[in-house]
Amino acid sequence: QVQLVQSGAELKKPGASVKISCKASGYQLQFYGVHWLRQAPGQRPEWVAWMNAGQDTTKSSQKFQGRVAISRDTSANTAYLEVIGLTSEDTAVYYCARLFGASGAFDFWGQGTLVTVSS
Amino acid sequence: DIVMTQSPATLSVSPGERATLSCKASQGVSTNLAWYQQKPGQAPRLLIYGASRRVTGIPARFTGGGSGTEFTLTISSLQSEDFAIYYCQQYYKWPPWTFGQGTTVEIK
Repeated sequence: QVQLVQSGAELKKPGASVKISCKASGYQLQFYGVHWLRQAPGQRPEWVAWMNAGQDTTKSSQKFQGRVAISRDTSANTAYLEVIGLTSEDTAVYYCARLFGASGAFDFWGQGTLVTVSS
Repeated sequence: DIVMTQSPATLSVSPGERATLSCKASQGVSTNLAWYQQKPGQAPRLLIYGASRRVTGIPARFTGGGSGTEFTLTISSLQSEDFAIYYCQQYYKWPPWTFGQGTTVEIK
């Protein structure tokens, strides 16, 4: 069955970068887009970035312009999110997710990766 | 960006009672609206898409309605496993895909 398994929790200092992985099983990432969202403690989910199925388009929220990068290793069926220039406001659980068919709803989510930014 | 606003922030309901949650969009989103349930320590779970279409496996007590700017999620008879936070999300105009701030359904 479809499953997204993310890498483990990270503790980073302000100014550092972090790279999170998301391994898909039960389907091929290359045929679906991969989205990244995050959720700060007690807050709503927030969309971060997206790579489309063809890997020719990546988009990120204006809020993160220039600070996030999505990549994908097709042979490993794994996607990655890198965030640079971390601040305490980046402390959140980061999720990868898949879109449900032709809709814009997210039907499968990874278990989440907690990124804590603290000096 | 389209802003999604949910009300109330918290809903206190007794098991077996009906709960009605509201979601409003800052501009029309047609029926490009999804609802999610989230429990502590878990990722959001998709319940409803297309404003009113239940995902396979979601119990019939969950009903979504509305179009344009106003939407509702009704849980007809609350079960113990339904106490959670519920979020709406629009996918009419993207990026970004945007979520409401959530409604917590708690035991009365």
